[in-house]
Amino acid sequence: DAKTTQPTSMDCAEGRAANLPCNHSTISGNEYVYWYRQIHSQGPQYIIHGLKNNETNEMASLIITEDRKSSTLILPHATLRDTAVYYCIKGGKLIFGQGTELSVKP
Amino acid sequence: DAGVIQSPRHEVTEMGQEVTLRCKPISGHNSLFWYRQTMMRGLELLIYFNNNVPIDDSGMPEDRFSAKMPNASFSTLKIQPSEPRDSAVYFCASSWDRGRRSPLHFGNGTRLTVT
Repeated sequence: DAKTTQPTSMDCAEGRAANLPCNHSTISGNEYVYWYRQIHSQGPQYIIHGLKNNETNEMASLIITEDRKSSTLILPHATLRDTAVYYCIKGGKLIFGQGTELSVKP
Repeated sequence: DAGVIQSPRHEVTEMGQEVTLRCKPISGHNSLFWYRQTMMRGLELLIYFNNNVPIDDSGMPEDRFSAKMPNASFSTLKIQPSEPRDSAVYFCASSWDRGRRSPLHFGNGTRLTVT
């Protein structure tokens, strides 16, 4: 299946870490995992991507399991502006699922 | 870098009319993608180009839809004739190497309303 599996929605308290899981059990060995987010019908925004190793940038961290069948996006200190729909996709397949609607609450 | 530029931002037209959506990708990117987003179906990939050549158009819903990329800096998505069910937000994105090892950069979309 070209799509990944993500929870439909999650809540997170402002200032706490948000951990968003994604299942991509059918990922191929050379496929990257990409994370995007979309805020209120704006164009999706790239967050981070990785192949095997964990990755970190100014926006988030990406933890990929050793078997590469799942990953977790971590927003270390969530703010209200992080409220968005988060998508996990397999690079090259370009297929977006329904994503996870993250609500950050005061 | 100005990012991916789409025009118009909003388009309202009557059923049966021709609609043309435009996209200017990021300079230097060799892949361009057209997506459509609705509440019911989410983000759907319609077609993508690599080096100005259409690679996969399996997502184009009907013959009423056509896309062209005459050069590396411009692409159009045309709907003729338009129907109310075509109402959606249409996004254009660009990247290196078909989005395999580099991320997609999306424009802000064109919101199409067909009455």
